Amino acid sequence: DTGVSQDPRHKITKRGQNVTFRCDPISEHNRLYWYRQTLGQGPEFLTYFQNEAQLEKSRLLSDRFSAERPKGSFSTLEIQRTEQGDSAMYLCASSFLDGWGTDTQYFGPGTRLTVL
Amino acid sequence: AQTVTQSQPEMSVQEAETVTLSCTYDTSESDYYLFWYKQPPSRQMILVIRQEAYKQQNATENRFSVNFQKAAKSFSLKISDSQLGDAAMYFCAYKTQGAQKLVFGQGTRLTINP
Repeated sequence: DTGVSQDPRHKITKRGQNVTFRCDPISEHNRLYWYRQTLGQGPEFLTYFQNEAQLEKSRLLSDRFSAERPKGSFSTLEIQRTEQGDSAMYLCASSFLDGWGTDTQYFGPGTRLTVL
Repeated sequence: AQTVTQSQPEMSVQEAETVTLSCTYDTSESDYYLFWYKQPPSRQMILVIRQEAYKQQNATENRFSVNFQKAAKSFSLKISDSQLGDAAMYFCAYKTQGAQKLVFGQGTRLTINP
């Protein structure tokens, strides 16, 4: 039973560069989420997909951020022209609506981004 | 907007003792879900326990139980017989029925003293 996986686990980049992260959800989970977590804080919601449709985006997701889930399976999160303020842990989660009408989100290990 | 507050940035407990972590939330909704997640150092976040707001009975998972006070908008986590492996950041989270995003508190760092 594989959980949510994320790649890479760590990324160091220079300001102004573009970076892309990948998330592979638990198989058969049709919902996928991206969160951002800065040091000492709880995760903050960025965006959410149901299958391949991006259904909700946070105001935190500036126009430099784009997320895709092209075939309803894995997802990518791209940050263009990175800034030092983008340094954070980027968490992916997936879920499946269960018979009780509740979907519980299961988290991946995260990608830690450091922008120099 | 919904908010979640964890007023204890850090807590410590002796191994085998019981500890309670506090969480309060603010919402005008009547149907929602509450969660406690555990994030060990450098490891991924895992679900500890979940509570549906419509259920009056407090959720229990082995050594973990909650005290859900809907009127007071309080959702505390009790860990009994604390073990060294319980050391982690603990996050309280809220989700409205029908919404997808989790709203997290700031977290409580729990230390277990041997």
